[in-house]
Order: sequence, then structure tokens, then C-alpha cells
Amino acid sequence: KNEVEQSPQNLTAQEGEFITINCSYSVGISALHWLQQHPGGGIVSLFMLSSGKKKHGRLIATINIQEKHSSLHITASHPRDSAVYICAVYWRSGNQFYFGTGTSLTVIP
Amino acid sequence: EPEVTQTPSHQVTQMGQEVILRCVPISNHLYFYWYRQILGQKVEFLVSFYNNEISEKSEIFDDQFSVERPDGSNFTLKIRSTKLEDSAMYFCASSEDHPEAAEQFFGPGTRLTVL
Repeated sequence: KNEVEQSPQNLTAQEGEFITINCSYSVGISALHWLQQHPGGGIVSLFMLSSGKKKHGRLIATINIQEKHSSLHITASHPRDSAVYICAVYWRSGNQFYFGTGTSLTVIP
Repeated sequence: EPEVTQTPSHQVTQMGQEVILRCVPISNHLYFYWYRQILGQKVEFLVSFYNNEISEKSEIFDDQFSVERPDGSNFTLKIRSTKLEDSAMYFCASSEDHPEAAEQFFGPGTRLTVL
């Protein structure tokens, strides 16, 4: 079983701040997904990574396979970024996804 | 933009009753998934489905659960005899390729309340 840990659990930031959310996992994986869950409950996929770095607008995701660690960065944060950010890993041996508990982000104007 | 849809948005049922949750994945997607999220807890994988059969299921997905793709567009999750602990939000998702290679698109969820 793959344990997925996220930090911090809760994060409050001022608008404009640079934000980092971390994800660590215990077993080698083949892919990692970053998801955003809105206050209403809907889930949106932000990134799928198997190596290196990806960027979409103000969001950047990186993964270090050797260290079993990924980070999600938000530059110039905005109140509309307020959501729960979830890391999910796909473990080929288990052939299923394991989810972190999420990081609840609040961006204050 | 294509999206995954789910019906109903909220289902209330009595313990012991059967429920069917419905999903319409994105039309050209090949992989389908069900997840659940108990209130205040993390999302949990239930089952993945590819090529008209279950490709993987978690320990949660016991004999009370079944999935079906009855007509090439709908993807259903059936719970045969609901328990109080089945109360959760159930999300359907689909992807056009294997989980290692493609992002998943999630439906809005069905909130199941078992009384």
C-alpha cells in the first residue's frame, strides 16, 4: 500500500503570495496527479506528472522520483485559488490510485 | 468542452435498499473510474474499468458493489444493499488513456445519503 502525505494540511495566504504545497509518497510510482477540489465538491485535474516539471499559467508542479516527492507551486496567488489541493499517486504494482488527505488553501484579499 | 456528467446529484435511500449511480463519461475516453469521499475524509479509489471489464478494484469494492457499462455511453455503480457507512460523495471519472499517461476528468459527484 502506498502512503501519501501532504503538507501543510491547512494554509492561509495573502493575495499575491507564492504558495508551495508538498506531497510525499512511500512507494515508487508511475504517475502523480495534482487535483483541485472546489468548495462545492467538484474535482478538477491540474497536472499529471511522471517526471520533471510542468507549468500551466500560475501553477507549477514538480516531481522528484528518487526522493518520492512532488510540489505544487502557485505564483501570485488569488482568492479564487482557495480550494483543497489533492495529490494522488498511481502505483503500477497496485494498479490503483492512492490519495493524500489534501491541503486546504485560503487566499485572503 | 466535453464533460463527465453524473445523475442524480443527490440520492437519499433507506438502509438495505439498492442504489444505482449513473455516469456518462467523455465519449472518446477508454478508462473509467469510481471514487468515493466520505464527508471530511480523503478521496478513495473504488474501481477502474477498461475494455468492458474491471481492471482493478480496491478492498472497499466488495460483493455489494458492481459496475456496468450497459450501452456504450453510461457507466453505472450499483450498491446492492446499502449500509449507513456507504453515505458519501461518489465521483465518476474518465480518461482517454492509461492512468500513467493521461489526466482524469471528474464528474460533479453524487451525494449518497443512507438513512
